[in-house]
Amino acid sequence: SQTIHQWPATLVQPVGSPLSLECTVEGTSNPNLYWYRQAAGRGLQLLFYSVGIGQISSEVPQNLSASRPQDRQFILSSKKLLLSDSGFYLCAWNPTGTHSPLHFGNGTRLTVT
Amino acid sequence: SQQGEEDPQALSIQEGENATMNCSYKTSINNLQWYRQNSGRGLVHLILIRSNEREKHSGRLRVTLDTSKKSSSLLITASRAADTASYFCATAANTGTASKLTFGTGTRLQVTL
Repeated sequence: SQTIHQWPATLVQPVGSPLSLECTVEGTSNPNLYWYRQAAGRGLQLLFYSVGIGQISSEVPQNLSASRPQDRQFILSSKKLLLSDSGFYLCAWNPTGTHSPLHFGNGTRLTVT
Repeated sequence: SQQGEEDPQALSIQEGENATMNCSYKTSINNLQWYRQNSGRGLVHLILIRSNEREKHSGRLRVTLDTSKKSSSLLITASRAADTASYFCATAANTGTASKLTFGTGTRLQVTL
């Protein structure tokens, strides 16, 4: 069966520090991968998605970047965090070339202080 | 911008009662999906309804879709305390190969004993 792992679960980082959040998927090949951010009490905002290795699409201009170095690995990064980067970050996947439902990780709660 | 808007924002009912949540959206869709989120966790897919479908059932869940009004509703029958969570609708656009879901702001459901 397919599983998705996302870590760390919580993270407290000072302003100006770098960020690296990692997401891996097991049990499937060539998935679509997604990074979403959820502000407190709000819906989810799509940040990045990837349909293949090295293929990254950005949905909103921001201080963050994403990379997909391996088929089932998706990384969210920042060189210098801002206070506004605080939030709940969720990784998700679904089978390639489909509009099928997303499978989400358990999220990372990021607090920038 | 948020495509889906849920109504109400919060709903409190007693166990055994039915809960109805509504979702409105703005553009044409391939499908509409409902997700559930327990506090501090990732989202879990509940049900998907395609644009050419009008009603769908899954256990105690009933979803309707009215594409002429660009609206959907989620009915949870005979609610239980374990149904306490936030519920989100998400719309999938009719283009592209990735599910660039657009999420609403959610309905917080509280089911009391």
